Amino acid sequence: KAGVTQTPRYLIKTRGQQVTLSCSPISGHRSVSWYQQTPGQGLQFLFEYFSETQRNKGNFPGRFSGRQFSNSRSEMNVSTLELGDSALYLCASSWDRGTSGSNGYTFGSGTRLTVV
Amino acid sequence: QKEVEQNSGPLSVPEGAIASLNCTYSDRVSQSFFWYRQYSGKSPELIMSIYSNGDKEDGRFTAQLNKASQYVSLLIRDSQPSDSATYLCAVNKAAGNKLTFGGGTRVLVKP
Repeated sequence: KAGVTQTPRYLIKTRGQQVTLSCSPISGHRSVSWYQQTPGQGLQFLFEYFSETQRNKGNFPGRFSGRQFSNSRSEMNVSTLELGDSALYLCASSWDRGTSGSNGYTFGSGTRLTVV
Repeated sequence: QKEVEQNSGPLSVPEGAIASLNCTYSDRVSQSFFWYRQYSGKSPELIMSIYSNGDKEDGRFTAQLNKASQYVSLLIRDSQPSDSATYLCAVNKAAGNKLTFGGGTRVLVKP
């Protein structure tokens, strides 16, 4: 069974540029979430998509956006990159428990973004 | 106050001993609780989930949940050097999947 696939694995961008990261969830998982991980702030929630709709959102500026396609694949976009956006970006997929809480995530290997 | 708090460690335990990790959370409406293990340079891996008060055992791991005290713990029995990693506590309170993670506890198992 294939896991969560994130591309690319590594990325170097210049300040002011924009970047798009891609995530393919485990087959059958309709919920896809994105996290930013840095040594100082740890894992911080960006957003969750379910059935092509953003269902939950974290406290990040509008430069961070995402979307989900009908096949559950998801992309996140960061515009006008800043040095502080350098981080590991993790995608996670999950079965949906609706209002009963969460089943927890399976994480992808991440995209390491370096902004110079 | 952070929503999910963990002692950053490192927690140093001898091989074969029990490692005890603690986590507290601030929001009483939290429904689902998880422990993840993250090796250096790797992504987090789910090792335990717990939803109701009490203990849940899976192999060498036992998760304990006390909602009244807003406390979750993880015991690792017969610790092995391969258990050396950062352990992340995560809590979900919303419908859907929005997990809030603690900062993690670094565990070092010494042979």
